[in-house]
Amino acid sequence: DQQVKQNSPSLSVQEGRISILNCDYTNSMFDYFLWYKKYPAEGPTFLISISSIKDKNEDGRFTVFLNKSAKHLSLHIVPSQPGDSAVYFCAASHNAGNNRKLIWGLGTSLAVNP
Amino acid sequence: DAGVTQSPTHLIKTRGQQVTLRCSPKSGHDTVSWYQQALGQGPQFIFQYYEEEERQRGNFPDRFSGHQFPNYSSELNVNALLLGDSALYLCASSLGQIIYNEQFFGPGTRLTVL
Repeated sequence: DQQVKQNSPSLSVQEGRISILNCDYTNSMFDYFLWYKKYPAEGPTFLISISSIKDKNEDGRFTVFLNKSAKHLSLHIVPSQPGDSAVYFCAASHNAGNNRKLIWGLGTSLAVNP
Repeated sequence: DAGVTQSPTHLIKTRGQQVTLRCSPKSGHDTVSWYQQALGQGPQFIFQYYEEEERQRGNFPDRFSGHQFPNYSSELNVNALLLGDSALYLCASSLGQIIYNEQFFGPGTRLTVL
């Protein structure tokens, strides 16, 4: 049972345009969400996070939007750059009796074409 | 400042064997988490070590065990290897037990079980 779903395995965009990566979740108890970026042969790198008390968090070219009613979040990258080409993972977390861990999606492979 | 390091980079074992993977956390970090990432999947949480004790555990059998040393480095041991244990094993370090914080990941150990 995939609690965190990234339904697009891959996405291709032109350099300079917007990249939108989507993530859906099923567990309404999730209260903290993170995006990680992963290059081949490297571990995931933390990108940006958002708490469930917010609906938007922005960090430079990266913005994460959270729609709690739809159980949906998205990562916007504007403008997209070739160096953004990587696999992006959405992860969610909730506190279950002082036991908190991350649940990850399957990832979306982003290709930014020059 | 060294980041998270893992050894070995690659490993090939046969079914039934035992394997030990090693992780050194980022300087200043005291918590180590281990993840299994099968091909085409997101990372799956195995367990987390803090103050030399296992603090949280995911849905993995007892064949998966670990240890944390006084210098915060950690080992992941897998006994009676199965073909399905073939995966990338990621170590992540953080400061503090609760995974609100950014986790810094190592490059992983690629385990192949034949």
